[in-house]
Amino acid sequence: RKEVEQDPGPFNVPEGATVAFNCTYSNSASQSFFWYRQDCRKEPKLLMSVYSSGNEDGRFTAQLNRASQYISLLIRDSKLSDSATYLCAVNMGGGADGLTFGKGTHLIIQP
Amino acid sequence: DAEITQSPRHKITETGRQVTLACHQTWNHNNMFWYRQDLGHGLRLIHYSYGVQDTNKGEVSDGYSVSRSNTEDLPLTLESAASSQTSVYFCATSPNTGELFFGEGSRLTVL
Repeated sequence: RKEVEQDPGPFNVPEGATVAFNCTYSNSASQSFFWYRQDCRKEPKLLMSVYSSGNEDGRFTAQLNRASQYISLLIRDSKLSDSATYLCAVNMGGGADGLTFGKGTHLIIQP
Repeated sequence: DAEITQSPRHKITETGRQVTLACHQTWNHNNMFWYRQDLGHGLRLIHYSYGVQDTNKGEVSDGYSVSRSNTEDLPLTLESAASSQTSVYFCATSPNTGELFFGEGSRLTVL
């Protein structure tokens, strides 16, 4: 049973382009949603939380679509340093019992 | 600065040996978690704790145990290491807002 699913990619994108990827989740009762960034052989680092109304942090925009049960991440004006794996994370239980992660989407920004 | 530290960062052991991975945090968060990350599986929850003397099993808890004697530490023990437990292990803490903050990881190889 796939609870949190992401397209693994890789997404090869030229520098300066806009890229977006989605993440679907299976539990309609999920309450908390996050995007993490993970560089090779490093720990995941919180990129941004995803709020119901959508939220933006600089070049990054996160959206939540509860009806279709997915979250999205949009990166504008992509930089070489954006190359990484992006993990979506969902609190499936609604409490403090940890996050369920997708397997990640690999993004490569090309010069 | 508050932080989360894991040790050892790298360990090689033999099948059948007991191994303990340490996790120490100075965030003063009640919630602590252990995940493992493997190619093809992503991050999977092993055990978690809501506070002192509290421990709970996650998705892949067989062969692992944890104990929580204070707020700062959640050691993960492999009672009898198996080759299937070769992985990268991440400890994480969480404030009650749901997001996780990860340590740098412990890379374990079981021969």
